[in-house]
Amino acid sequence: DAGVTQSPTHLIKTRGQQVTLRCSPISGHKSVSWYQQVLGQGPQFIFQYYEKEERGRGNFPDRFSARQFPNYSSELNVNALLLGDSALYLCASSSEPPHSGRLEQYFGPGTRLTVT
Amino acid sequence: AQKVTQAQTEISVVEKEDVTLDCVYETRDTTYYLFWYKQPPSGELVFLIRRNSFDEQNEISGRYSWNFQKSTSSFNFTITASQVVDSAVYFCALSDPNNNAGNMLTFGGGTRLMVKP
Repeated sequence: DAGVTQSPTHLIKTRGQQVTLRCSPISGHKSVSWYQQVLGQGPQFIFQYYEKEERGRGNFPDRFSARQFPNYSSELNVNALLLGDSALYLCASSSEPPHSGRLEQYFGPGTRLTVT
Repeated sequence: AQKVTQAQTEISVVEKEDVTLDCVYETRDTTYYLFWYKQPPSGELVFLIRRNSFDEQNEISGRYSWNFQKSTSSFNFTITASQVVDSAVYFCALSDPNNNAGNMLTFGGGTRLMVKP
């Protein structure tokens, strides 16, 4: 079975632009989470979606938004890009519902976003 | 609030040496889960182990072993007889099922391990 896939792998944008990142979870997984990993730091939680509903949100501004589709794939949108948004964006999928804690999460390879 | 601290930012060892990566966590909850992930240069996070707060038994998997001590809020990771392929960034993480943010993982800052031949 295929793992978590993300597209694109790399992206270069200019300040003020908007970007959309995509994630396809492992087949059968209904939960998708997004994390931002700035160079040299640990990943930080952005969103969790389960059954197409937002179930968790980290401490990120409203410029960040996401959605989950009926096939459980997900998109992360970032508006009005800032230099500080340059990071590796990781998607993780899980078959676990929210608040289970056990978190059998599987991470994708990430999308590396560079904002110039 | 949850917090995970990995005080060692970078460790360098010679192949076949044993190495221990430290992890200290903070949480107010009695039920939580601890994790270790490996991040090779390719960037993908690879799951290594999950431990729940009620299971303090140490675990060994091949050359890897984990020491969970609730009394000191630590979950340390030891690699025995390190190999060059162990070179990566290792992250310790914590999840709290009662967190209103859902199934989020709180990660430490990571420890970069370099194993030299």
